[in-house]
Amino acid sequence: GENVEQHPSTLSVQEGDSAVIKCTYSDSASNYFPWYKQELGKRPQLIIDIRSNVGEKKDQRIAVTLNKTAKHFSLHITETQPEDSAVYFCAASGSGTYKYIFGTGTRLKVLA
Amino acid sequence: KAGVTQTPRYLIKTRGQQVTLSCSPISGHRSVSWYQQTPGQGLQFLFEYFSETQRNKGNFPGRFSGRQFSNSRSEMNVSTLELGDSALYLCASSAQQGTNTEAFFGQGTRLTVV
Repeated sequence: GENVEQHPSTLSVQEGDSAVIKCTYSDSASNYFPWYKQELGKRPQLIIDIRSNVGEKKDQRIAVTLNKTAKHFSLHITETQPEDSAVYFCAASGSGTYKYIFGTGTRLKVLA
Repeated sequence: KAGVTQTPRYLIKTRGQQVTLSCSPISGHRSVSWYQQTPGQGLQFLFEYFSETQRNKGNFPGRFSGRQFSNSRSEMNVSTLELGDSALYLCASSAQQGTNTEAFFGQGTRLTVV
């Protein structure tokens, strides 16, 4: 069935360092890959997304890369700050559907 | 513009009871999806609705049902509650169907089954 694996489950980095979170999806029909950030007690919020016709997308300190052949996509956060501490979820879906298959989440801790 | 509103925020129910959760999407959004979030299973897809039609359903038992009204508000119902149904139930609304745009999540309803 459809599955998204996400690694690592926890990640601690020093402030200013980079963080990388990796996801692998199983459904070849997936072509939309959003990343959500969820702070403690709050709702998930979209931080970046990528479509299958694009290999990389950047938004300031955040970037996402996609390798469709390998069914891998990754989130890169540079110059991490304490406010980046949260749980990050990757997801995959088909075109035009909001049936997201989520990864199990990565708890990122940025140490000051 | 008001965000996605879920009511109630918290619920405590007894095993065997039923519960109805409500989701009001962002004004103008016609797509609503529901997710169950638990520490062990993460975020799992329940339903997706667009213009009162269920477009997709996740792998949950028939005790879980939902619907969407003509004003795009959505409800989900869980009958014969089990302890394992304790979770945060999140809904998300989106503007379009047919192309992926941002899905905005509500704050969720935290259901505790005792």
